[in-house]
Amino acid sequence: DTGVSQDPRHKITKRGQNVTFRCDPISEHNRLYWYRQTLGQGPEFLTYFQNEAQLEKSRLLSDRFSAERPKGSFSTLEIQRTEQGDSAMYLCASSQPGQGGLNTEAFFGQGTRLTVV
Amino acid sequence: AQSVTQPDIHITVSEGASLELRCNYSYGATPYLFWYVQSPGQGLQLLLKYFSGDTLVQGIKGFEAEFKRSQSSFNLRKPSVHWSDAAEYFCAVVIDNTDKLIFGTGTRLQVFP
Repeated sequence: DTGVSQDPRHKITKRGQNVTFRCDPISEHNRLYWYRQTLGQGPEFLTYFQNEAQLEKSRLLSDRFSAERPKGSFSTLEIQRTEQGDSAMYLCASSQPGQGGLNTEAFFGQGTRLTVV
Repeated sequence: AQSVTQPDIHITVSEGASLELRCNYSYGATPYLFWYVQSPGQGLQLLLKYFSGDTLVQGIKGFEAEFKRSQSSFNLRKPSVHWSDAAEYFCAVVIDNTDKLIFGTGTRLQVFP
């Protein structure tokens, strides 16, 4: 297993276009997270899946954003009608709860850098 | 408001010098605490974590961190910095059982030879 992989690594799009990013988590991990990181800031939580169920969405996730994890494996994050303010690094992470559901380490992908022009 | 604060935006040290990066959190209970490192254009790598027990935690790459409940702090330290340690460092907390991380704004470390 090569860890969490994200595709593409970079995306440049024109304002108003739709974009879709993919995340492949570590295979045995049932939790998957999306974060957004803008320049000079720490990552901010967007949404979280446990298996195929989307359990939590941040208020940052406007109606133009949608995430799916149809078979509990890979996930996609789609942004519709992109705006310049959507320019950021989009990070995916996965984790596997330990015994008793205790928190464990989240492993991060290298991210997808989106530039909206 | 609940938050994670990293008061130092940018720190510059000479190679071989000691390092301390500060992190404070503001939560009612003790959260789970983490330090991550991010090299340019890369994702985040976990350096160390604190859940409970011994308040001095050892991590990878020679880093350690100390949890001080009275100060709501979890500062990261390294006795001798290497040029390869130049990166962005993020303190983060988890406050519930979802493993959702709440990050500080980061400290950029620059190392001079």
